[in-house]
Amino acid sequence: ETGVTQSPTHLIKTRGQQVTLRCSSQSGHNTVSWYQQALGQGPQFIFQYYREEENGRGNFPPRFSGLQFPNYSSELNVNALELDDSALYLCASSHPTSVHTGELFFGEGSRLTVL
Amino acid sequence: AQSVTQLDSQVPVFEEAPVELRCNYSSSVSVYLFWYVQYPNQGLQLLLKYLSGSTLVESINGFEAEFNKSQTSFHLRKPSVHISDTAEYFCAVSENTGGFKTIFGAGTRLFVKA
Repeated sequence: ETGVTQSPTHLIKTRGQQVTLRCSSQSGHNTVSWYQQALGQGPQFIFQYYREEENGRGNFPPRFSGLQFPNYSSELNVNALELDDSALYLCASSHPTSVHTGELFFGEGSRLTVL
Repeated sequence: AQSVTQLDSQVPVFEEAPVELRCNYSSSVSVYLFWYVQYPNQGLQLLLKYLSGSTLVESINGFEAEFNKSQTSFHLRKPSVHISDTAEYFCAVSENTGGFKTIFGAGTRLFVKA
C-alpha cells in the first residue's frame, strides 16, 4: 500500500513568485486536504478536495488555490508569494469509509521558504 | 466553532517517568478526537483516536487518552516514556456533523531526557 507522497520536499522562492506543490493520495483514498504548518505551530486547514471539487476552505486568501485530478492526486498553488507563506505544507488523504470522522493520513510535507 | 487548546507548549521529562499531555477542545456538537505525533522533519502520524464507545483509547506503543465529555478534554498519558518518544504531539478535533475539516492544537513538544 502506497502512502501519501508529496513533491518537492524543499523549495525556495522569492516574494511575488508562484509555487505549485503536488500530492499523491494513499491508495484507495479519494479525499485530499491541505494544511499549512508554520514553524512552531500546529497545522492550519487550507482546503479539502473531493471528486475534483473544493469541499471546504479555511481562512486563507484566494491566492491559495488547488486542484484534484481523476486519480485523486492534488495540487496546491500559491500566487504572489509573501514572506509569511514560508511554512511546511502538508497534504493529507482520507479513506471513503473514514472521511466523515476527519481521520487523516499525512505525507512528509513540502517545506517552502520565501525570501 | 471548534477549537483545540494544548495547555503545555513543552514538557520535559526523564526517561521511564510518567507523562501527561493536556488537551481541551471547544465545540457545540459531538466530536471525534485524535492525537497525532510528528518527528523532526516528518509529517504527522496518527497515534490514537476516539470515535465512539469506550472513553479510554490506547495506542500500540503504550500511550493512552481518555475522552472526558464534561470537561471537554482528551489528555494523553504514558506511564513510562522512552527517549524515542521525543517528538511534537498534536491534539485534533473533528465535528461529528459530516464536517470536512480537522482542527489542530498548537502542539506540545515532549522532550525525554536520559
